[in-house]
Amino acid sequence: DSGVTQTPKHLITATGQRVTLRCSPRSGDLSVYWYQQSLDQGLQFLIQYYNGEERAKGNILERFSAQQFPDLHSELNLSSLELGDSALYFCASSFRGSGAYTDTQYFGPGTRLTVL
Amino acid sequence: QKEVEQDPGPLSVPEGAIVSLNCTYSNSAFQYFMWYRQYSRKGPELLMYTYSSGNKEDGRFTAQVDKSSKYISLFIRDSQPSDSATYLCAMKTSYDKVIFGPGTSLSVIP
Repeated sequence: DSGVTQTPKHLITATGQRVTLRCSPRSGDLSVYWYQQSLDQGLQFLIQYYNGEERAKGNILERFSAQQFPDLHSELNLSSLELGDSALYFCASSFRGSGAYTDTQYFGPGTRLTVL
Repeated sequence: QKEVEQDPGPLSVPEGAIVSLNCTYSNSAFQYFMWYRQYSRKGPELLMYTYSSGNKEDGRFTAQVDKSSKYISLFIRDSQPSDSATYLCAMKTSYDKVIFGPGTSLSVIP
């Protein structure tokens, strides 16, 4: 158990809908990362927050947004969902979020999103 | 060409075999190299990280980096059924985001 929690575990919804995925980082970690994992794209970095502020952006679509709250939990909002958004969404956390390689990212169990 | 390439497998070996997992990359600015293990329906977990060319050993696992060839490897000695998982290589420059390979699926048959 990494100490990172994600809810819900599974989510089934329809095209055009909006969903919110939630992540609680490990105790003491200040940085949260969101990744999307699909069979054809592998693990893709979406966005990183550090202590409430956006730090880095990856391949995140404009239909997706995220935020980190004062208690350091984070939410990833996915809107106008398309079939291609079906994937596993992982949250990871690290202490510093400095990007140093020793700042290990610990991954949560993921949320499996199915868009029908 | 993708930044990080990895043979997706699946790779199937008998218990006790030596396993070799490999990644190639195109960005010569990558300096830090990691291997993650991901069990089915779980999040990736960090196995090893290395900096610079050479070998790093941790128990049954050895990570090898050859920067001149832009090639990294993970060797698993005395493989066990519990090693059955997907192995993701990952790499980054000094302070940039981590780039993951697509992963290699490994099955160790008892």
